[in-house]
Amino acid sequence: QKEVEQDPGPLSVPEGAIVSLNCTYSNSAFQYFMWYRQYSRKGPELLMYTYSSGNKEDGRFTAQVDKSSKYISLFIRDSQPSDSATYLCAMSPRLNNDMRFGAGTRLTVKP
Amino acid sequence: DVKVTQSSRYLVKRTGEKVFLECVQDMDHENMFWYRQDPGLGLRLIYFSYDVKMKEKGDIPEGYSVSREKKERFSLILESASTNQTSMYLCASSPPGRGEQYFGPGTRLTVT
Repeated sequence: QKEVEQDPGPLSVPEGAIVSLNCTYSNSAFQYFMWYRQYSRKGPELLMYTYSSGNKEDGRFTAQVDKSSKYISLFIRDSQPSDSATYLCAMSPRLNNDMRFGAGTRLTVKP
Repeated sequence: DVKVTQSSRYLVKRTGEKVFLECVQDMDHENMFWYRQDPGLGLRLIYFSYDVKMKEKGDIPEGYSVSREKKERFSLILESASTNQTSMYLCASSPPGRGEQYFGPGTRLTVT
């Protein structure tokens, strides 16, 4: 079993839809949780960074962490075609070390 | 904004060649990382460095070495390239006391 599981998709939604992306994990020591967006042939770009459980909102993006269920989510409201990308979850037990990534979910937002 | 640059976007090398991939960051970050990214496998850590001249093995260090002579520069070396090292290579850096990493644009390496 992988430490971090992420549905690879692909996921296709119409413009304006609410998108839900999820990851589950097995290591209860994870405390730092991140979501990255990666456009085709580019490096990952940090979207959201949260510590421990709870919610964090930034514009159209909301990250949720449920440590009791070992489950994290990224919600995208009013999705746009420019949101079409691969989304990677990442998590680590300590600062700057042992970061584990999901395999990524490929999202397409259709106009 | 943090800027992480990598020396090449695309590289084609022959089996057995020695390959150098360079990464430079401009934010005075102490921590730097090298990953490879393969379809279905996600990102896997090859090596990381906490400071100049310091290095630590990641999950898949075999066939690779690294060099960090200056704080802003972290080099990945493939001593003798093999076809199974064909991959996307990503460099990242992170500031002290923070958990997030900032990535470069990646180098797509093909070994024939």
